[in-house]
Amino acid sequence: DAGVIQSPRHEVTEMGQEVTLRCKPISGHNSLFWYRQTMMRGLELLIYFNNNVPIDDSGMPEDRFSAKMPNASFSTLKIQPSEPRDSAVYFCASRPDRRSPLHFGNGTRLTVT
Amino acid sequence: SQQGEEDPQALSIQEGENATMNCSYKTSINNLQWYRQNSGRGLVHLILIRSNEREKHSGRLRVTLDTSKKSSSLLITASRAADTASYFCATSNSGYSTLTFGKGTMLLVSP
Repeated sequence: DAGVIQSPRHEVTEMGQEVTLRCKPISGHNSLFWYRQTMMRGLELLIYFNNNVPIDDSGMPEDRFSAKMPNASFSTLKIQPSEPRDSAVYFCASRPDRRSPLHFGNGTRLTVT
Repeated sequence: SQQGEEDPQALSIQEGENATMNCSYKTSINNLQWYRQNSGRGLVHLILIRSNEREKHSGRLRVTLDTSKKSSSLLITASRAADTASYFCATSNSGYSTLTFGKGTMLLVSP
């Protein structure tokens, strides 16, 4: 079991550029979450998928953010255009069912200059 | 919005001492979970306690839950330098849909 795999581990980009973060959940897990972590705001839930369908995207900051899950083994979080305030660590997590704990990836550290 | 709030924000102890971290939350829950995060890594699940449980043990970890006070505590006994990390509580609401995390307690265990 390779765990939840996120790429890239680090991303540095200039304001206005498009950023795409990728996640491969653990095989067999039917729920996938995207969280953002900053010192000021802690861990914020951005969006939650169940069986590849977005269930709750109320945490997505604004229309610049979009997330997709085209199949059970892949999800993307896209920011277009990026802004300096988007700088944070973005985590993907998955779980096999609703009553189980989350398994986190090691995150993508995004820096927007 | 943050559901769980950990206390203290930071804790510094010596190896061998016990570490206690507290978590308070605002609304009713189905379960409460504790996670650990080492620097530069993702969160790792430690222990889950259901709303109808009052205490749970796992190795050197002891978790209590008081639903009347909407609070939980995590006790790490006989701490080790390797326990140095941030510890987060997370609550699962009705429907078990999402987990809401607190801002965490940073624990430093000195050799």
